[in-house]
Amino acid sequence: GNSVTQMEGPVTLSEEAFLTINCTYTATGYPSLFWYVQYPGEGLQLLLKATKADDKGSNKGFEATYRKETTSFHLEKGSVQVSDSAVYFCALSVGARSNDYKLSFGAGTTVTVRA
Amino acid sequence: ETGVTQSPTHLIKTRGQQVTLRCSSQSGHNTVSWYQQALGQGPQFIFQYYREEENGRGNFPPRFSGLQFPNYSSELNVNALELDDSALYLCASSSGSHSPLHFGNGTRLTVT
Repeated sequence: GNSVTQMEGPVTLSEEAFLTINCTYTATGYPSLFWYVQYPGEGLQLLLKATKADDKGSNKGFEATYRKETTSFHLEKGSVQVSDSAVYFCALSVGARSNDYKLSFGAGTTVTVRA
Repeated sequence: ETGVTQSPTHLIKTRGQQVTLRCSSQSGHNTVSWYQQALGQGPQFIFQYYREEENGRGNFPPRFSGLQFPNYSSELNVNALELDDSALYLCASSSGSHSPLHFGNGTRLTVT
C-alpha cells in the first residue's frame, strides 16, 4: 500500500536556524509528493509539490526534492522565522488524477521557532 | 473569493447517535474530498465526490456516507457513532485533476 513516514516532532528551533524535516514514502506506482502546512487555527495549505523524480518543489523559502532512489522528499529551509511555526505534513498520491486524489499523509511534524 | 467553509466547528455526540457535517466548497470548485484526522495523526482519506457522485473511497465502513449537491456543497454523514470516530473532519475542494486541494478549518467531533 501507500504510506508516508516523517520525522517525529516536536522540533524547536531558534530564528534563522536551518530546518530539515525528513520524509520517506512507500508507494505502489509512481506517486506525486506534497508538503502541506497547518498554521495555528487554520486549515491545511499546500506548501509545495513535485510530480516526478528529481523535481524540486519550492515556496516561501522552503524546498524539497523528489528522490526516487531513496524514496524521500525531505523539506528544508535555510533560515526559519517565528511565522514558520506550524505543523508540517508530507503526503503522496498515486494514479491518473494524482494531484488531488486520495492523499496519504504522514503523521505531521510540529515545528516551533523561537525569537 | 470565499474559501472552504465547514459547519459546525465543534460537535459533541453520544455513542450510537448519527451526525451530519456540512461543507461549502470554494467558488468554482466541483470536487469535494473528506478526511478524518485523529489526534496526533495525519488526515486519512474518507471519500471524494465529483459532480454529485462518489468518485473514490478510502478504508472506511459504510456507516460513513456522503452527498454532494448541485451547488457542489457536501455533507458527511456518520451513523452509529463509535468512540473512535472522535476526530477532526476536514473537507477539501478543488477544481478537478491537477489542481490543488483547498482545505476548510474542519469540524471537531467528540463522541462520548
